[in-house]
Amino acid sequence: DSGVTQTPKHLITATGQRVTLRCSPRSGDLSVYWYQQSLDQGLQFLIHYYNGEERAKGNILERFSAQQFPDLHSELNLSSLELGDSALYFCASSVGAGQVVHEQFFGPGTRLTVL
Amino acid sequence: DAKTTQPNSMESNEEEPVHLPCNHSTISGTDYIHWYRQLPSQGPEYVIHGLTSNVNNRMASLAIAEDRKSSTLILHRATLRDAAVYYCILRENYGGSQGNLIFGKGTKLSVKP
Repeated sequence: DSGVTQTPKHLITATGQRVTLRCSPRSGDLSVYWYQQSLDQGLQFLIHYYNGEERAKGNILERFSAQQFPDLHSELNLSSLELGDSALYFCASSVGAGQVVHEQFFGPGTRLTVL
Repeated sequence: DAKTTQPNSMESNEEEPVHLPCNHSTISGTDYIHWYRQLPSQGPEYVIHGLTSNVNNRMASLAIAEDRKSSTLILHRATLRDAAVYYCILRENYGGSQGNLIFGKGTKLSVKP
């Protein structure tokens, strides 16, 4: 158990819909990262938040957005869903924001299926 | 982030050592070498990281070439539980990259009983 929790574990929805994935980092971790894992693209970095502020963006679509709240949990919002958005979405947390190398701890993921 | 090259797959026998290679010929002086693994149906898991010197921890050892253009993750006695995809990742030690990990395709390790 990494200490990172993600809800829900599974999500099935239809095209055009909007969903919210939630992540609670390990106690004391200020950084939250979101990654997407699909069969054809592998593991891809989406976005990084540190203590409530966006720090870096990767291959995140404009239909996707995220935020980190004062209690440090984070939500990833996916809208106008397409079949190709079906994937595993992982959240990871770490103590710092990059200047000192820090191990990232990954949650168990949320499996999103868009029908 | 600099690119890494790993074999697509490797096989090992249980209780034997495993050497997983990684080439990173374009590594810069500030890049750390990280290894993560992903067991089936789980999120990635940190294994080890290093900069220039060889590193050991309870999970594995990391041997880094003198010119830093390649490295090898060593599992001293493979167990069935070590069957996973192993990712070799280069990560800058500056805030500029903000710490995100760039995953390649990794090496799928199979362990035979």
